[in-house]
Amino acid sequence: GAVVSQHPSRVICKSGTSVKIECRSLDFQATTMFWYRQFPKQSLMLMATSNEGSKATYEQGVEKDKFLINHASLTLSTLTVASAHPEDSSFYICSARSTGAINEKLFFGSGTQLSVL
Amino acid sequence: QKEVEQNSGPLSVPEGAIASLNCTYSDRGSQSFFWYRQYSGKSPELIMFIYSNGDKEDGRFTAQLNKASQYVSLLIRDSQPSDSATYLCAVNDNQGGKLIFGQGTELSVKP
Repeated sequence: GAVVSQHPSRVICKSGTSVKIECRSLDFQATTMFWYRQFPKQSLMLMATSNEGSKATYEQGVEKDKFLINHASLTLSTLTVASAHPEDSSFYICSARSTGAINEKLFFGSGTQLSVL
Repeated sequence: QKEVEQNSGPLSVPEGAIASLNCTYSDRGSQSFFWYRQYSGKSPELIMFIYSNGDKEDGRFTAQLNKASQYVSLLIRDSQPSDSATYLCAVNDNQGGKLIFGQGTELSVKP
């Protein structure tokens, strides 16, 4: 299957720090990338959908000024958690789809565990 | 609000038994359905996908889809301890192409 690389795998930072997470599609061009957040023992919650070259679409309740998404190329999307606070501690996972077909399977990055002290 | 419902479990089965995982969804227009396996601390891994009514088999895994009942299931035959994980049902949102996940079912296979 397609490979999606996500870095870093783990971040521990102080409150107020901004954290940047990168998501790369290694062997295909990702027209659409999705960012999910997962709290312990809970399911994946979609935060936003990003299409290359356009502004991200955020889900209800997700602050776009806090979770900045950039999808500057067909192989790279970044999520920046601005001024992170302890309540932002979570497992962040990106996923990518190679074509515009909505039935296309999603491939997931390995996730980033963010811990804000 | 489009929903995907699963029993959170834990579902415990003995090694070698069949594990049956169930999922219902609210959006009758949904067309594609996925089962992901997630180990603790790891990201989801695609196990099966199904688009048409009926059964789809892949090795020890069988996905079953009944669109009239808005029901999709995953059967794992000859369950192994390594199958112990959380299984996430996901349904494609036809309008935006987003994947909506259920809360996951924790499966424990006892040796």
